[in-house]
Amino acid sequence: DAKTTQPPSMDCAEGRAANLPCNHSTISGNEYVYWYRQIHSQGPQYIIHGLKNNETNEMASLIITEDRKSSTLILPHATLRDTAVYYCIVTHSGAGSYQLTFGKGTKLSVIP
Amino acid sequence: EAGVTQFPSHSVIEKGQTVTLRCDPISGHDNLYWYRRVMGKEIKFLLHFVKESKQDESGMPNNRFLAERTGGTYSTLKVQPAELEDSGVYFCASSLETGLADNEQFFGPGTRLTVL
Repeated sequence: DAKTTQPPSMDCAEGRAANLPCNHSTISGNEYVYWYRQIHSQGPQYIIHGLKNNETNEMASLIITEDRKSSTLILPHATLRDTAVYYCIVTHSGAGSYQLTFGKGTKLSVIP
Repeated sequence: EAGVTQFPSHSVIEKGQTVTLRCDPISGHDNLYWYRRVMGKEIKFLLHFVKESKQDESGMPNNRFLAERTGGTYSTLKVQPAELEDSGVYFCASSLETGLADNEQFFGPGTRLTVL
């Protein structure tokens, strides 16, 4: 599995953009980058994913570098409800099972 | 559309007892996953069903854990006999079958298991 590296914590002012970085230098060509978050003790919530191109949906944008060795999740206008642990995950691509390998993630605190 | 549901939300049992957790995936989702987070640790994969078949059970910790998905609909995870180290939150997730690693998983709220 490709391993990911994220900062343990970040702060962001409410209403500002939150930019969460992730390094995945050993990613292989057919592996996707996924972002999930876990708000307090709820179940993890899917945010966005991508392979090569940048992606945007109603929640966030995902910027993947051209060499695919790193990516950034962007929450354009962070709110207090975005306070959560954010996980950058590179999908396991073997044996037909797409298990998610969660690391420690980045604890994002949105500050009023 | 209903999301992934899990029952019970909390369970407190004594060491040596049996507990059965249930997961109802999103309707039409062939893939069903079990994960757990034990105290202070990261969320870990347990196993993956495609319909009623076990696709990958490499994360199951030992033979005290038995997962089933009869008929390819809901799934149960039984722990027998439960040990103290089994305490944690058990999450279920489901996803559509696309055959690709382009397959977001939708998680349930989890079952918090406490073994005394």
